[in-house]
Amino acid sequence: DTGVSQDPRHKITKRGQNVTFRCDPISEHNRLYWYRQTLGQGPEFLTYFQNEAQLEKSRLLSDRFSAERPKGSFSTLEIQRTEQGDSAMYLCASSSRYYTQYFGPGTRLTVL
Amino acid sequence: AQKITQTQPGMFVQEKEAVTLDCTYDTSDPSYGLFWYKQPSSGEMIFLIYQGSYDQQNATEGRYSLNFQKARKSANLVISASQLGDSAMYFCAMRESSNDYKLSFGAGTTVTVRA
Repeated sequence: DTGVSQDPRHKITKRGQNVTFRCDPISEHNRLYWYRQTLGQGPEFLTYFQNEAQLEKSRLLSDRFSAERPKGSFSTLEIQRTEQGDSAMYLCASSSRYYTQYFGPGTRLTVL
Repeated sequence: AQKITQTQPGMFVQEKEAVTLDCTYDTSDPSYGLFWYKQPSSGEMIFLIYQGSYDQQNATEGRYSLNFQKARKSANLVISASQLGDSAMYFCAMRESSNDYKLSFGAGTTVTVRA
C-alpha cells in the first residue's frame, strides 16, 4: 500500500516562470486536496477534487493557479508567472469520503 | 475568526516523560472531526489520531491520546513516554460537516524531546 506521492520534492525557479507540480494519491481514494503551507504556519486549503471534478477552490487560488485531475487519478497544480510570495510548501492529500486525509511529502517551492 | 487555536509555539520535554499539547476550536456545526498531525523536519504531515464530535470516549492510538472536552471546545493531544523521534511540529485540525472537504489547521506546536 503506497502512500501519497508528490513530484518534485523541491523546486527553485525565477520570478515570472511557470511551474507544475504533480500529486499521485492513494489508489482507492476518490478525493484529492491541495494545501499551501508558509513558514511557521499551518497548511491552508487551496482546492479539492472528487474524482475528476474540481468542486471547491479557495480565494487563495488566484487566476495564476490552476489545478487539474484528469481521469480522476493523479493531479497537477500549475502556477503561472510565479511571484516571490508563492514560495511555500505545497501539500497534496487524498481520502475516501468522510475519512482521514493522508498527506504526501510536499513540494517545497522557492521563487528567486 | 480562528477556527483552531494552538497557544504553545514550542515545548521541551524530557525523554520518557509525557507531554500535553493544547488545542481549542471554534465551530457552530453540530458534527465535526478533530485531527492531530505530526510534521517532522522532512515536511510530510503524518496523521496521528482522530476524534469525532459524537464519539463518547476519548480516542487513543498507541502512545497518543486525545483529551476531548466538548463543552470547553478543547482537544488536547497527550504523548506518553516521549521518544527522541517525537521531536517535530504538531498540528491540530478540524473538519466541519458544513465544509467536509477541507481541514482547518492551527499554527502548530514545536516539540523538542531532550535525552
